Amino acid sequence: AQSVTQLDSQVPVFEEAPVELRCNYSSSVSVYLFWYVQYPNQGLQLLLKYLSGSTLVKGINGFEAEFNKSQTSFHLRKPSVHISDTAEYFCAVSDLGGGATNKLIFGTGTLLAVQP
Amino acid sequence: EAQVTQNPRYLITVTGKKLTVTCSQNMNHEYMSWYRQDPGLGLRQIYYSMNVEVTDKGDVPEGYKVSRKEKRNFPLILESPSPNQTSLYFCASSLSTAGDYGYTFGSGTRLTVV
Repeated sequence: AQSVTQLDSQVPVFEEAPVELRCNYSSSVSVYLFWYVQYPNQGLQLLLKYLSGSTLVKGINGFEAEFNKSQTSFHLRKPSVHISDTAEYFCAVSDLGGGATNKLIFGTGTLLAVQP
Repeated sequence: EAQVTQNPRYLITVTGKKLTVTCSQNMNHEYMSWYRQDPGLGLRQIYYSMNVEVTDKGDVPEGYKVSRKEKRNFPLILESPSPNQTSLYFCASSLSTAGDYGYTFGSGTRLTVV
């Protein structure tokens, strides 16, 4: 069975500093990988996704993520964060196995808290 | 504007009183799904629908019902709500059923059952 692990429940960081939010997954088949962002009192918005090809994918708001198949990771990075990046970030995986149901499996989320 | 609309945004109800949370999308998406979000547990799938009249259970379907009579609508029904169904609920839709498109989410419904 698939699973997604976001080890950091909260990541405090100062404004303009770089940040990395970690995501590891387990799956016995090929996967698609996603990062979503949830701002307070809002639904989730797609930040970026990895389907195939280049392992470095760029998303909205200056975020990027790198797929590492050998380490089964899909860490999210931003070189310089802003106060407005304060939000909860969710990593998700969708498997490509037989009988796939288009289901996204989500991690438990990482709260990015940007301080001035 | 392309969107998923859920109503209501907030709901407080009493144990056992049937309720329906509506979900509608205007993007002609094939796939729709309901998730609940609880602190420390992330999002867990309740039910999903691959097309009209095709629905199936997700990971936590107990206590919930759904229907998909029209492509755009996918209501979530709680026949006899209990306090353990207090949660934040999200409806989502996707253009593709192949897992590659990602989801568009509604703004959420915060349900409190007392």
